[in-house]
Amino acid sequence: NAGVTQTPKFRVLKTGQSMTLLCAQDMNHEYMYWYRQDPGMGLRLIHYSVGEGTTAKGEVPDGYNVSRLKKQNFLLGLESAAPSQTSVYFCASRGSGGPVEQFFGPGTRLTVL
Amino acid sequence: QQPVQSPQAVILREGEDAVINCSSSKALYSVHWYRQKHGEAPVFLMILLKGGEQKGHDKISASFNEKKQQSSLYLTASQLSYSGTYFCGTFDRGSTLGRLYFGRGTQLTVWP
Repeated sequence: NAGVTQTPKFRVLKTGQSMTLLCAQDMNHEYMYWYRQDPGMGLRLIHYSVGEGTTAKGEVPDGYNVSRLKKQNFLLGLESAAPSQTSVYFCASRGSGGPVEQFFGPGTRLTVL
Repeated sequence: QQPVQSPQAVILREGEDAVINCSSSKALYSVHWYRQKHGEAPVFLMILLKGGEQKGHDKISASFNEKKQQSSLYLTASQLSYSGTYFCGTFDRGSTLGRLYFGRGTQLTVWP
């Protein structure tokens, strides 16, 4: 089991460029999440999904879009990157059936110049 | 709805004890604790469900006071490997769709 994987690990963008971050999990989890982590701010939820084909907004969704076309994949898109989106992005997943452990991916470090 | 953690940072000598607190303004169903080492992903430590049962993980234990909407993480006889940032995540009763609210973290540094 690979658990939760994220692609890419690092990326540098110029302002206005677009990109997609890919999250994949092999645990057959229903729930998937995208967080961003900035110094002193903790983990802030961007978007999440409770199943294939469903997505919902979290605390900081502006400037991001997501898609969950397949149960094992959760994509995070930046249509027009801004320096304020420089951050470390973590994907997480968990199974259904109440409050259980969230499994985190290794993270993607994104810098927007 | 973000829980409040205290203190923001703790510095310890190896073998000393520490307590990290997490409180919420919302009625809670469960509290989750994670530890994150520098440059790594958060790693799950434990979940406490309503009922106040104390859980343990090696020499790290935690309690959950549902009435006070608070949880505390106890690190006993700290080891160098305990260094990292500790996050609590709260799952409130009103929460739909299974989302956790994470605190801003407590940075723990253990010196030899």
